[in-house]
Amino acid sequence: KNQVEQSPQSLIILEGKNCTLQCNYTVSPFSNLRWYKQDTGRGPVSLTIMTFSENTKSNGRYTATLDADTKQSSLHITASQLSDSASYICVVIPYNTDKLIFGTGTRLQVFP
Amino acid sequence: KAGVTQTPRYLIKTRGQQVTLSCSPISGHRSVSWYQQTPGQGLQFLFEYFSETQRNKGNFPGRFSGRQFSNSRSEMNVSTLELGDSALYLCASSGLAGGPDTQYFGPGTRLTVL
Repeated sequence: KNQVEQSPQSLIILEGKNCTLQCNYTVSPFSNLRWYKQDTGRGPVSLTIMTFSENTKSNGRYTATLDADTKQSSLHITASQLSDSASYICVVIPYNTDKLIFGTGTRLQVFP
Repeated sequence: KAGVTQTPRYLIKTRGQQVTLSCSPISGHRSVSWYQQTPGQGLQFLFEYFSETQRNKGNFPGRFSGRQFSNSRSEMNVSTLELGDSALYLCASSGLAGGPDTQYFGPGTRLTVL
C-alpha cells in the first residue's frame, strides 16, 4: 500500500469550474506536505508547502488544506483555466529525513 | 536565476548499453536529487548528493549510479540498460541537503530503451 495515495486518478472539468483533489497519507510524523504541478513533458513545480502545524496555504487560485488528524490534504483549484491541465502530485516528507514520498498524482484535464 | 538544466532532453538507447545523464543545479544550490518517473510507478527517488557526497539512496539496483562535482553539477549513469529503464529522469536542486527547503525540478531527460 502506498504511503501517499491520491484521488481521483484522473479528472475532467470545464473551464471556469472549481475542483478539489485529494491526498491521503500514512506517513507519520512528517515535517511538511507539498503539492506540485507537473505539465506534460516538464518537471514538477512546487505549488504549496505546508508544515504539519499548518491548516491551509494558498497560491493564487490554488488552495491546499491539511487535516493532520485524518491524515488528509486537499488541493482546491478555483475558476479553472485551460493551463491548469496537468498532473498534480502530493508529496510528504517524513519527520527528520530528507526523503520525499510521492503520490502517484491526479491527472487533470480542463476543457473549454 | 537560471533554473535547473538537464541534458540531453531526449535519448534513445538499446538494451545492454549504458547512458550518462547530466544535471546542472540552480546557482548556489548544493543539493541535487535524482528521480525516475514512469506512468505506472510515479516518481521514485534514486539518490541525493550534497557537496559531492551521496547522502541518500533509493531502492534501485547498482546499475544506477551517480556523482556530483565540486561545482554541484551532477551526473547519473545507468549501465546495462533494460527495457524497464525507459522513463523520465528528473533532477531537482535545493539550497540545503533535502529537508523542508523547496526542491526545484529540471525539465527531465526522456530515456527510451529499445
